[in-house]
Amino acid sequence: GQNIDQPTEMTATEGAIVQINCTYQTSGFNGLFWYQQHAGEAPTFLSYNVLDGLEEKGRFSSFLSRSKGYSYLLLKELQMKDSASYLCAVPSGGSYIPTFGRGTSLIVHP
Amino acid sequence: DADVTQTPRNRITKTGKRIMLECSQTKGHDRMYWYRQDPGLGLRLIYYSFDVKDINKGEISDGYSVSRQAQAKFSLSLESAIPNQTALYFCATSGSISPYEQYFGPGTRLTVT
Repeated sequence: GQNIDQPTEMTATEGAIVQINCTYQTSGFNGLFWYQQHAGEAPTFLSYNVLDGLEEKGRFSSFLSRSKGYSYLLLKELQMKDSASYLCAVPSGGSYIPTFGRGTSLIVHP
Repeated sequence: DADVTQTPRNRITKTGKRIMLECSQTKGHDRMYWYRQDPGLGLRLIYYSFDVKDINKGEISDGYSVSRQAQAKFSLSLESAIPNQTALYFCATSGSISPYEQYFGPGTRLTVT
């Protein structure tokens, strides 16, 4: 099965950089997902890492270390609109269906 | 128009009532999913379907049933609603080209009194 751990809440300042960590234990491994979810809205896909290392997409980057069971999401040049929950997830079984962690609520303040 | 739609968006029902939540998509995806989200528990998978003739139970299928009426439609039923089924329900889709990327509907907020 999967066991996913990420901080419940983080705060950061507009314009700063924040790193949201995720550790996981899984019996098999097909990758790691990150989703963003604004309050009361649907989750939206951010990234899917299958290889070790850092993948960059604009202001957002995602890092994966499979040997350590560790990932992080890096958000640069924070904006107020980045206030949201960030969901770490790992695939279940041999499929691409994510099993989600409880999410990290990020609060960006001026 | 939204690619993944859910109806109703909000629903209040009484214990013991049967209720159906509907999901439609215009993305042409073959894979569809139902999740529920509870505060502090995250998103949990209820059922999923990889094509019209395929139905699979997820982590928390007890008390729920589904129907895949067409490639574009996937409905979730609560045969006899109970208060602990009060939650936010999301439908999602994914395609065979990028199966790792799910697209979520706007959600249905269900309250069972």
